[in-house]
Amino acid sequence: GQSLEQPSEVTAVEGAIVQINCTYQTSGFYGLSWYQQHDGGAPTFLSYNALDGLEETGRFSSFLSRSDSYGYLLLQELQMKDSASYFCAVRRGSNYQLIWGAGTKLIIKP
Amino acid sequence: NAGVTQTPKFQVLKTGQSMTLQCAQDMNHEYMSWYRQDPGMGLRLIHYSVGAGITDQGEVPNGYNVSRSTTEDFPLRLLSAAPSQTSVYFCASSSVGGAGGQETQYFGPGTRLLVL
Repeated sequence: GQSLEQPSEVTAVEGAIVQINCTYQTSGFYGLSWYQQHDGGAPTFLSYNALDGLEETGRFSSFLSRSDSYGYLLLQELQMKDSASYFCAVRRGSNYQLIWGAGTKLIIKP
Repeated sequence: NAGVTQTPKFQVLKTGQSMTLQCAQDMNHEYMSWYRQDPGMGLRLIHYSVGAGITDQGEVPNGYNVSRSTTEDFPLRLLSAAPSQTSVYFCASSSVGGAGGQETQYFGPGTRLLVL
């Protein structure tokens, strides 16, 4: 089957660095996406990796290893506003469907 | 641009009632989709469309209908509401094809539905 695994919760300290991992099983892999969702809000797109390596966008970076079916989201210089849930997602084969991980709740302590 | 809009924001239904959740986008996106999100869970795809006149089922289509008569609008109909359909519903849109086109989805603010 096709599935994504990510930790349910991660805790970090303001100003620190945190890594949120995602492993996936899917056929016909195209790329790995990351989304952020604040409580009561809608998911917002953060990044997309189609090729191996690190993509950096400001304080956020995303990494992909296709051979390991693994990726991670790296958040640097954590701010309280980064407290949210983070979801990874992949396309379901050649179909026009995204499948989603269950989300990682990031808790930031002052 | 307004992006993706959804109405209503909140709705309470009684078991057996029907209703339509509205979704519209002004980005000329071919792809539109409906998800439901239950507490502590990820998003589950209900139905999706890759263009006007084309719709298909996602993971959890039972109890829901959709239509896509225009590029902009993609309403979701609950035929006979059940308590199991209590959830938050998100509509999303994206382009199709290209590098990451479909993977970059834009979401509406959501509709919170309670079925009693």
